[in-house]
Amino acid sequence: AQKITQTQPGMFVQEKEAVTLDCTYDTSDPSYGLFWYKQPSSGEMIFLIYQGSYDQQNATEGRYSLNFQKARKSANLVISASQLGDSAMYFCAMREGDGTQGGSEKLVFGKGTKLTVNP
Amino acid sequence: DADVTQTPRNRITKTGKRIMLECSQTKGHDRMYWYRQDPGLGLRLIYYSFDVKDINKGEISDGYSVSRQAQAKFSLSLESAIPNQTALYFCATSDPLAGAAENEQFFGPGTRLTVL
Repeated sequence: AQKITQTQPGMFVQEKEAVTLDCTYDTSDPSYGLFWYKQPSSGEMIFLIYQGSYDQQNATEGRYSLNFQKARKSANLVISASQLGDSAMYFCAMREGDGTQGGSEKLVFGKGTKLTVNP
Repeated sequence: DADVTQTPRNRITKTGKRIMLECSQTKGHDRMYWYRQDPGLGLRLIYYSFDVKDINKGEISDGYSVSRQAQAKFSLSLESAIPNQTALYFCATSDPLAGAAENEQFFGPGTRLTVL
């Protein structure tokens, strides 16, 4: 069974507008972490934001926020005030376990969403 | 200088050839990973290593082997390359002792491999 599902192969947004990239996940482990990575056309993987399964508040990092709905098993990335440089592939990933020593730390990735920001 | 480096960055080879992709890191992390990325499929884990003496198969290890020569070096080998191994390959590192719950993986720049 697919553990990370990104249902939007491509998304378009106008510059300066907000956009939400969807991610749903599947796990029976009560302890897990959710990550979002950005991959620009140059190919590198850039870590954006993290949400732990026990975190009470939604994670935020600058213009990035994570809309974490635990009961629905969703972890959507919200990018506010989109910029042309936000055009890239975005990957949602999950780590089962709490990330401390002895944990798995293996990441399972979704298939990605290609975001295009229009001027 | 980059913390995680991969060599070569691009490689074209022929079916049946042996090829090695190398990864080096200066982050001092014990844990290292190899992923491949195919269009439309995201990243999939090939092998991972938690220290020099520990090697583990990932989701798609068939056709690959690895060597952890030192804490800082983790190599991926294709003993006999085939065209469906054409992909973008990433090395990554992480450190569970970093103290941060997020403990994200740090990725190298990737190696683009083409098998003809």
